[in-house]
Amino acid sequence: GQNIDQPTEMTATEGAIVQINCTYQTSGFNGLFWYQQHAGEAPTFLSYNVLDGLEEKGRFSSFLSRSKGYSYLLLKELQMKDSASYLCAVRDVGDKIIFGKGTRLHILP
Amino acid sequence: GAVVSQHPSWVICKSGTSVKIECRSLDFQATTMFWYRQFPKQSLMLMATSNEGSKATYEQGVEKDKFLINHASLTLSTLTVTSAHPEDSSFYICSARSQGDRMWPEAFFGQGTRLTVV
Repeated sequence: GQNIDQPTEMTATEGAIVQINCTYQTSGFNGLFWYQQHAGEAPTFLSYNVLDGLEEKGRFSSFLSRSKGYSYLLLKELQMKDSASYLCAVRDVGDKIIFGKGTRLHILP
Repeated sequence: GAVVSQHPSWVICKSGTSVKIECRSLDFQATTMFWYRQFPKQSLMLMATSNEGSKATYEQGVEKDKFLINHASLTLSTLTVTSAHPEDSSFYICSARSQGDRMWPEAFFGQGTRLTVV
């Protein structure tokens, strides 16, 4: 079956660093995505990993280990606007993108 | 990135009526479109995959006769919620992707439609 796990909620302080973990077990694997979603809005694309290793894009970095079925999203220099849900998603067979339940990140001043 | 436009942004309808939601890719040809539903504080649940010119593929547990999907052109897919009931109230989001486009591996999302059935 399909299973994508990530923590339900996390809290961090403005200016700090936070790491959101994601583990997955899917029928197929054609890449892993991280999306950011603010309440009531559509998800916005953050990162994409298809090969093992770290992808860095500004304050955000994403890591993938295919052998371990594991990824993390690293957010640096946290800002209040980073308060949102972060969705881990896997592209499965047939080009379907399957989402995890999302991690609600709360940023404290 | 590419732009996907979804309309309407929100709709309120009476129980028993039907509602149509449109999803358009504005600057690329979307060979595949996906329809998701999201309940409050939950993640996106894939409802169906829509390929241009063919019947949609529905996920397990999604009633194909209730959620009619049409993907008549490479830039437009529609989702019709038939005989809507209050339990169908949710946030519906479409996403689109152009297969074979190596520059854009991700799917692009529409703005979402907030459906409230009263």
